[in-house]
Amino acid sequence: GQQLNQSPQSMFIQEGEDVSMNCTSSSIFNTWLWYKQDPGEGPVLLIALYKAGELTSNGRLTAQFGITRKDSFLNISASIPSDVGIYFCAGQLFAGNMLTFGGGTRLMVKP
Amino acid sequence: EAGVTQSPTHLIKTRGQQATLRCSPISGHTSVYWYQQALGLGLQFLLWYDEGEERNRGNFPPRFSGRQFPNYSSELNVNALELEDSALYLCASSPRRGRGTGNEKLFFGSGTQLSVL
Repeated sequence: GQQLNQSPQSMFIQEGEDVSMNCTSSSIFNTWLWYKQDPGEGPVLLIALYKAGELTSNGRLTAQFGITRKDSFLNISASIPSDVGIYFCAGQLFAGNMLTFGGGTRLMVKP
Repeated sequence: EAGVTQSPTHLIKTRGQQATLRCSPISGHTSVYWYQQALGLGLQFLLWYDEGEERNRGNFPPRFSGRQFPNYSSELNVNALELEDSALYLCASSPRRGRGTGNEKLFFGSGTQLSVL
């Protein structure tokens, strides 16, 4: 079946630094999504991408739908302590299908 | 608007017992998904229900089962509990499945933390 590989698995950064993480697949997806899970909570949708090459921002977060449809990237600028959590990418092949989730990137921010 | 609610928040059981976890989706959502998250790691897909039917099942043994009720709420049952079943069980809901209906946007509950002793 389809698999999503997220990297890095974890990051420990200083407050104020920019963060980059990515997600790659061996097969294409037509929708890419990024979710964030705060400690003790369920994941929350951050950004949804529907078109190859699309670049979408949500505050300090920017995500891109890779042109090959096999990858996606998430950048966080000027990190703050509340950015701590696990970031999951997810892909959907066709509308109505289930999502395939990546293994997550755990982000830790040092004040 | 109320979000996805799960109960109980914490559940402690011993090996061999049965656990029942409950989920109420967002009003108007017909799909319910169950995921297992062990030790704060990745999300392992368990079950997907839509309109009362099981649509898909993850790679879990048959002692993991569930159902969806006419009001779209759902129950996850785990029989013959084993120590490795200890995990956070997350429920998510989405609108009715179909083309362009936004079922890629999952709304998660806060989970049930199951501990098996």
